[in-house]
Amino acid sequence: RKEVEQDPGPFNVPEGATVAFNCTYSNSASQSFFWYRQDCRKEPKLLMSVYSSGNEDGRFTAQLNRASQYISLLIRDSKLSDSATYLCVVTPILTGGGNKLTFGTGTQLKVEL
Amino acid sequence: GAGVSQSPSNKVTEKGKDVELRCDPISGHTALYWYRQSLGQGLEFLIYFQGNSAPDKSGLPSDRFSAERTGGSVSTLTIQRTQQEDSAVYLCASSPMTGNNEQFFGPGTRLTVL
Repeated sequence: RKEVEQDPGPFNVPEGATVAFNCTYSNSASQSFFWYRQDCRKEPKLLMSVYSSGNEDGRFTAQLNRASQYISLLIRDSKLSDSATYLCVVTPILTGGGNKLTFGTGTQLKVEL
Repeated sequence: GAGVSQSPSNKVTEKGKDVELRCDPISGHTALYWYRQSLGQGLEFLIYFQGNSAPDKSGLPSDRFSAERTGGSVSTLTIQRTQQEDSAVYLCASSPMTGNNEQFFGPGTRLTVL
């Protein structure tokens, strides 16, 4: 079983739609959680951290369920520019210091006119 | 400021040759990581440097892979006797000692082994 599992997609949605991605992780020691975005043939970039209480950044909302070891990302009012691969990422430490990130294989989103 | 840079951006080599990939992290970042991403696969951790501590080499796939970080800054990933399965994009990332553990990635080196 992979440490971080995601539905690879692709998710093809019309502009303006709401779309949700899910991710499960197997290491219960995981403490920090992130969503990274990767555009085609580009490097990954941090989209947002995921906190236990859930957090929102504009059109993006991230949720964490520690009991179920499950992370979600909700994108509202999707834009063409949201088309990318969304990577679910976990790491066992809380803050600072650095540690290896464990990536899911990513969920591909295509927003269409 | 300047981000993470990597060179070369593309490298084509013949099976059996050695290759060296270079990473210049963001100035002041104490942690440096190497990952690789094969076609259709997720990012796979290779090795991690933190300050003067011994590196975490747990992700290196074989003894043909090695990396060093000189002077706590620039890092070189070396692959000896390359094989076709080594073909991938090799990504370097760096992060500061404090903060939310965000890693900043370079543009990667696309390695093709013929």
